[in-house]
Amino acid sequence: QKEVEQDPGPLSVPEGAIVSLNCTYSNSAFQYFMWYRQYSRKGPELLMYTYSSGNKEDGRFTAQVDKSSKYISLFIRDSQPSDSATYLCAMSANRGSTLGRLYFGRGTQLTVWP
Amino acid sequence: KAGVTQTPRYLIKTRGQQVTLSCSPISGHRSVSWYQQTPGQGLQFLFEYFSETQRNKGNFPGRFSGRQFSNSRSEMNVSTLELGDSALYLCASRGQGQGAYEQYFGPGTRLTVT
Repeated sequence: QKEVEQDPGPLSVPEGAIVSLNCTYSNSAFQYFMWYRQYSRKGPELLMYTYSSGNKEDGRFTAQVDKSSKYISLFIRDSQPSDSATYLCAMSANRGSTLGRLYFGRGTQLTVWP
Repeated sequence: KAGVTQTPRYLIKTRGQQVTLSCSPISGHRSVSWYQQTPGQGLQFLFEYFSETQRNKGNFPGRFSGRQFSNSRSEMNVSTLELGDSALYLCASRGQGQGAYEQYFGPGTRLTVT
């Protein structure tokens, strides 16, 4: 079992829809949780990061972490065709030398059609 | 502020050869990590360097090595290339303090081994 599980999709939604992306994990040492967006043939782009449990909002994006369930989510409101990309969840432990080691989900491929 | 840069962007090598990839982090960032991205395994951590010292290493064979220079630039070397080494190699950098939790990726070097 991989440490981070993410449904690869693909996910196809109409413009304006609310998108929900999710990951589960098994390592209770994970404390930092990130979401990256990766366009085709590009490097991942950091969207948001959160520490421990709770919610964080940034514009149309909301990240949620439920450490008790080992479950994280990213919600995209009013989705746009430009949001079409692969979304990757990533996480790391809160220990100095391991903080820089990210464990990634496989990514969910999202298509938003006009 | 310029982002993470990687050179070359594309590379074709023959099985058995060796290759060196280069990464320049964001100005002021002293931590550089390397990841391998393949369709089969997703994004996997190779190693991280901080102040010219390797501080963390993933589960890759010894053919994969790296180093960091005093200006924080990093290189990754793969010796005795195998067909399975064909992948997108990504470099990421992060800062210090609060910036330590945000890892920024470069565009990657796409390596094809024939």
